[in-house]
Amino acid sequence: DIRMTQSPSTLSASVGDRVTITCRASQSISDWVAWYQKRPGEAPKLLVYKASRLESGVPSRFSGSGSGTEFTLSISSLQPQDFATYYCQQYSVYPITFGQGTRLDIK
Amino acid sequence: EVRLLESGGGLVQPGGSLRLSCGASGFVFSNYDMNWVRQAPGRGLEWVATVSSSEKNIYYADSVKGRFTISRDNLLSTLHLQMTSLRVEDAAIYYCTKERDAYNPDAFDFWGQGTLVTVSS
Repeated sequence: DIRMTQSPSTLSASVGDRVTITCRASQSISDWVAWYQKRPGEAPKLLVYKASRLESGVPSRFSGSGSGTEFTLSISSLQPQDFATYYCQQYSVYPITFGQGTRLDIK
Repeated sequence: EVRLLESGGGLVQPGGSLRLSCGASGFVFSNYDMNWVRQAPGRGLEWVATVSSSEKNIYYADSVKGRFTISRDNLLSTLHLQMTSLRVEDAAIYYCTKERDAYNPDAFDFWGQGTLVTVSS
């Protein structure tokens, strides 16, 4: 199985900050990576697919990059609604696997 | 508007069974692979199972293989998850998800609100 390792596990930041979350795959997965935002009590929301493609309706302050084994999700200017948990996912091969999550807290 | 509505969750004893359903609307259900994903209390997201559009291909997480069965009814635009031999560790919110692309494995662009499964004696 492909292991997806996110870092950091927790991130504290302020409104207006730029933050970056990293996801490393245990083997090469080309660009078959997605990023999701999960707020408590809500369903996960797709932000980025194919490593760098922004899902329709997602604000442009979100961006994804990477290929092979290392991927990043960046948020350029944090807004209050961005404080949530973020997950990477690989869909290159089955079983589909998610990272353990990165919780983004308000500093 | 795409909508996914799960049902069938509830309280079940260890060793028991439960059948989850997901009613879909707003897209051509029969064209898309569908999935179940779960989140246990205080834990991360865990993929459970995938069924291809025609039901030709089915995949399971090792943690549920042999106990859970994913299926679909394309005429009724409904996805199912039959869960048997339930364990305490199966307790979670179960989400029904749709894949973005109709022709290739893809990310999950729509998620239902989830249905809660509690496994306890």
